Amino acid sequence: DTGVSQDPRHKITKRGQNVTFRCDPISEHNRLYWYRQTLGQGPEFLTYFQNEAQLEKSRLLSDRFSAERPKGSFSTLEIQRTEQGDSAMYLCASSLADGTYEQYFGPGTRLTVT
Amino acid sequence: AQSVTQLDSHVSVSEGTPVLLRCNYSSSYSPSLFWYVQHPNKGLQLLLKYTSAATLVKGINGFEAEFKKSETSFHLTKPSAHMSDAAEYFCVVSLLSGSARQLTFGSGTQLTVLP
Repeated sequence: DTGVSQDPRHKITKRGQNVTFRCDPISEHNRLYWYRQTLGQGPEFLTYFQNEAQLEKSRLLSDRFSAERPKGSFSTLEIQRTEQGDSAMYLCASSLADGTYEQYFGPGTRLTVT
Repeated sequence: AQSVTQLDSHVSVSEGTPVLLRCNYSSSYSPSLFWYVQHPNKGLQLLLKYTSAATLVKGINGFEAEFKKSETSFHLTKPSAHMSDAAEYFCVVSLLSGSARQLTFGSGTQLTVLP
């Protein structure tokens, strides 16, 4: 399968713990995006990378959140000192920088903070 | 600013009958508009897109949508529903942000197909 993959698919953690999620984009895609989706809502943009550069961050991305894409391939999203309000589905997408604007989404990581 | 409003949170149709999922958008610029579908435990899949070419856009699985600027609408239709169409559908508007397209999603419409 050559689509976008995310790991883990599910994560349960206690409040105050740190968690890290991984996204592997489609190999030739140089843009990578993170979104958050809460129950009953559409995904909300968090941040995006072009190659290894993080070019935009949403105001939703508090200072407890950090994302990296060190070699321009896979990306990680870390949440420090998790709160119950962080419980959500975290989606990763990737795209080419060719003006087609098509983003391909992974299956998501569902985070539950207890 | 840009936004999308999906007018129905739930739509229920019988198999073989037409599907209509309604979407209105607001955008300061000429928008790019998309419909995505999300099946349980699967990633979001692009159904179709409008990027200022033909106003009637055909997508996968028999879906199509018409861009109507005067009504600021981009409704999704399908002539005959199939059981496999049951899923959540998102209307999405895209604004060029920096050098990439930032997607703004609607709140979704859950489509139920009755046998």
